[in-house]
Amino acid sequence: GENVEQHPSTLSVQEGDSAVIKCTYSDSASNYFPWYKQELGKGPQLIIDIRSNVGEKKDQRIAVTLNKTAKHFSLHITETQPEDSAVYFCAASMGITGGGNKLTFGTGTQLKVEL
Amino acid sequence: GAVVSQHPSWVICKSGTSVKIECRSLDFQATTMFWYRQFPKQSLMLMATSNEGSKATYEQGVEKDKFLINHASLTLSTLTVTSAHPEDSSFYICSGKRGGSYNEQFFGPGTRLTVL
Repeated sequence: GENVEQHPSTLSVQEGDSAVIKCTYSDSASNYFPWYKQELGKGPQLIIDIRSNVGEKKDQRIAVTLNKTAKHFSLHITETQPEDSAVYFCAASMGITGGGNKLTFGTGTQLKVEL
Repeated sequence: GAVVSQHPSWVICKSGTSVKIECRSLDFQATTMFWYRQFPKQSLMLMATSNEGSKATYEQGVEKDKFLINHASLTLSTLTVTSAHPEDSSFYICSGKRGGSYNEQFFGPGTRLTVL
């Protein structure tokens, strides 16, 4: 089955700096890669996703890049703000064509944005 | 759009009792719903996948007789933890997937279960 590794487990940045979180996946059949933000005591919130037919996607301060050859994808947050502090999870799926639509999650990154 | 609610948000029960958690998609029809369990400082662990009108598919190691899942409509799925024990205490989260979408899953706010 799919295995997703995520690094780092914790990340501290100064407000205004950029933050980068990296994930690798094992199954080359995976073709959908979402990122979720989870605040304490709440459910995960989808913040951005990318499909395997594109290499990069951007939404304001958030961007995701995908390298299918190397089987890794990354989340980039620019101009970080204190409200960006949360746990971020990457995930991988084989989309509607296989894998039962299941998402395989990374282990999470605790991001702390310091003033 | 794509809002999922859960009820209750937290529940405390005595060991041996059963607890039902509801998951509703409020503004879309969820052809597939998923139930996850999350322990403190850990990732989400998929428990089961349910399609409307069908029996749920459970992940390896998840007892189907203990965690009863019903997906009676396109907007409602329920998880019943039967004969709950302290080790079942956890954060339970559901998600819904819109029919036809690539694989976007929208998560509920979670239910904190504490078994005394």
